[in-house]
Amino acid sequence: KAGVTQTPRYLIKTRGQQVTLSCSPISGHRSVSWYQQTPGQGLQFLFEYFSETQRNKGNFPGRFSGRQFSNSRSEMNVSTLELGDSALYLCASSPGTGGNTEAFFGQGTRLTVV
Amino acid sequence: AQSVSQHNHHVILSEAASLELGCNYSYGGTVNLFWYVQYPGQHLQLLLKYFSGDPLVKGIKGFEAEFIKSKFSFNLRKPSVQWSDTAEYFCAVNALGEYGNKLVFGAGTILRVKS
Repeated sequence: KAGVTQTPRYLIKTRGQQVTLSCSPISGHRSVSWYQQTPGQGLQFLFEYFSETQRNKGNFPGRFSGRQFSNSRSEMNVSTLELGDSALYLCASSPGTGGNTEAFFGQGTRLTVV
Repeated sequence: AQSVSQHNHHVILSEAASLELGCNYSYGGTVNLFWYVQYPGQHLQLLLKYFSGDPLVKGIKGFEAEFIKSKFSFNLRKPSVQWSDTAEYFCAVNALGEYGNKLVFGAGTILRVKS
């Protein structure tokens, strides 16, 4: 079974621009979550999508948004980029149905804002 | 708000030494508990998980963890570490159960095993 795939792996953007990151979950998984990993703040939850609906949200400003498509693929968008948005963005997928499950992580997208 | 505390940020051990990494969480309700590992240059991988039942759980690569509800702890152990265990280890809690996947992570513990 293929794992969680995130594209692109690396991105360099300029302050003020916007960026879209993509995540393809494991086949059959309906829940996709996004996390931001930085040296200072560690791993922080951004949001979770399940069946095309945002099911949970973390404490990030509205510049961070996402969506999920009918095939469970998800995109995350950050608008008006700030230097502090430089981070590794991780996507995780899980079956998302019928109770407690584990999350499987992708390799991440390394975003650098200059 | 939930939080997860990992006791040590850096641990250095010699091969064959025993390992115990502490993890405490703050949440009064039912939780799912996880330990993830991030090897250099690789993605986060699940070491082990606790949902319910036997509080002593065994994971991959000889790791185990014990859930002590009264202490809100979920410490990771390995009797004898190897050089290949050099990695960063994260404890995580999900308090949403069947209502979602929202992991709250600890700050991580960087383990270096000297050969």
